[in-house]
Amino acid sequence: AQTIHQWPVAEIKAVGSPLSLGCTIKGKSSPNLYWYWQATGGTLQQLFYSITVGQVESVVQLNLSASRPKDDQFILSTEKLLLSHSGFYLCAWSLWGVEQYFGPGTRLTVL
Amino acid sequence: GDSVTQTEGPVTVSESESLIINCTYSATSIAYPNLFWYVRYPGEGLQLLLKVITAGQKGSSRGFEATYNKETTSFHLQKASVQESDSAVYYCALGETGANTGKLTFGHGTILRVHP
Repeated sequence: AQTIHQWPVAEIKAVGSPLSLGCTIKGKSSPNLYWYWQATGGTLQQLFYSITVGQVESVVQLNLSASRPKDDQFILSTEKLLLSHSGFYLCAWSLWGVEQYFGPGTRLTVL
Repeated sequence: GDSVTQTEGPVTVSESESLIINCTYSATSIAYPNLFWYVRYPGEGLQLLLKVITAGQKGSSRGFEATYNKETTSFHLQKASVQESDSAVYYCALGETGANTGKLTFGHGTILRVHP
């Protein structure tokens, strides 16, 4: 069975500090991978997608970057956090871009 | 752009009552939209509840059902008799078949509270 794991579960960070969030998918070969973000009171927005190792496409510009160093790993990062980066980050996978399956998420608070 | 509008929450109902959560969509960039309902139960991750990829068809799961109506651009979620365990946040979403972008456009979510 496929599993999706996100880390950390929650982070409290200072404005201007760096950030790295991770996601791994086990049990699926060459999935499409996605990062979503939900601000408090807002809706889920897709940030990035990747269909293969080493290739990531940006959907929304939020001063964040993403990388896919391995087939089963997706990383979201920034060198300088902004207050506006606070929210809930979700990683998801799919095959052939139809329904997506989400991880448990990471709650980020920027102070 | 594409958008999804759903019932403002929270929606509060009593156990065994019927439920409808409205969802309407606008798909300006997608020729053949797929429609989804996702649910987040307390303490759990977002999970797919049901999907319909063909206009006119109905999807169902766990006693919930939704019909893809292209004429009214709607995909309302209904259940004849809710249970306390249905308390959760429900999200309507719009996507595109086979698109590698896999972009899902979500509504804001509807909090459902079911009282015993």
